[in-house]
Amino acid sequence: GAVVSQHPSWVICKSGTSVKIECRSLDFQATTMFWYRQFPKQSLMLMATSNEGSKATYEQGVEKDKFLINHASLTLSTLTVTSAHPEDSSFYICSAKEQSDQPQHFGDGTRLSIL
Amino acid sequence: QKEVEQNSGPLSVPEGAIASLNCTYSDRVSQSFFWYRQYSGKSPELIMSIYSNGDKEDGRFTAQLNKASQYVSLLIRDSQPSDSATYLCAVGSNDYKLSFGAGTTVTVRA
Repeated sequence: GAVVSQHPSWVICKSGTSVKIECRSLDFQATTMFWYRQFPKQSLMLMATSNEGSKATYEQGVEKDKFLINHASLTLSTLTVTSAHPEDSSFYICSAKEQSDQPQHFGDGTRLSIL
Repeated sequence: QKEVEQNSGPLSVPEGAIASLNCTYSDRVSQSFFWYRQYSGKSPELIMSIYSNGDKEDGRFTAQLNKASQYVSLLIRDSQPSDSATYLCAVGSNDYKLSFGAGTTVTVRA
């Protein structure tokens, strides 16, 4: 149980392109989903918290107009990196939890490379 | 700022030995504690969760929590080469967010 699917796994695109990443909870309803970014040799940094049907809450220093988050249903959240630039290249990971006292379960991550 | 500190690595242990990982946290009101394993290039995988003081065992893994000392640890018994990975300590707060430590890289020598 508690499977989280993330798509795509890899994205390579030109600077200025917008990229959409999907995060789905396959066997449970996720009231809350989280988006993280991880640079090489560093730990996970929380970008935003996404609740179904409401606006995402962004961490300090994360541009909400650049990283658009939509959580339209209890099983799907999307992160769109708008007008991506090389400095946005990173490993983006989503997680989801079913209930407030349950652990977060992570998707497989998306490796984004902007040329 | 909520801080989570892990013992610096890398930690190298021979196959069959016990690997001991430590973690301290700064936020006294933290409610939940997790250990995640992350293989290189992969996303974290939940290994253990612990919510109350004491020990919790699951197979070869034992988590220990001491809220008074703001300390949580993970023991890996009978270490296997497949245990070689980075182990992340994560601490949950009332707002359900997780704060992660920098991770400890474990290498199990065959």
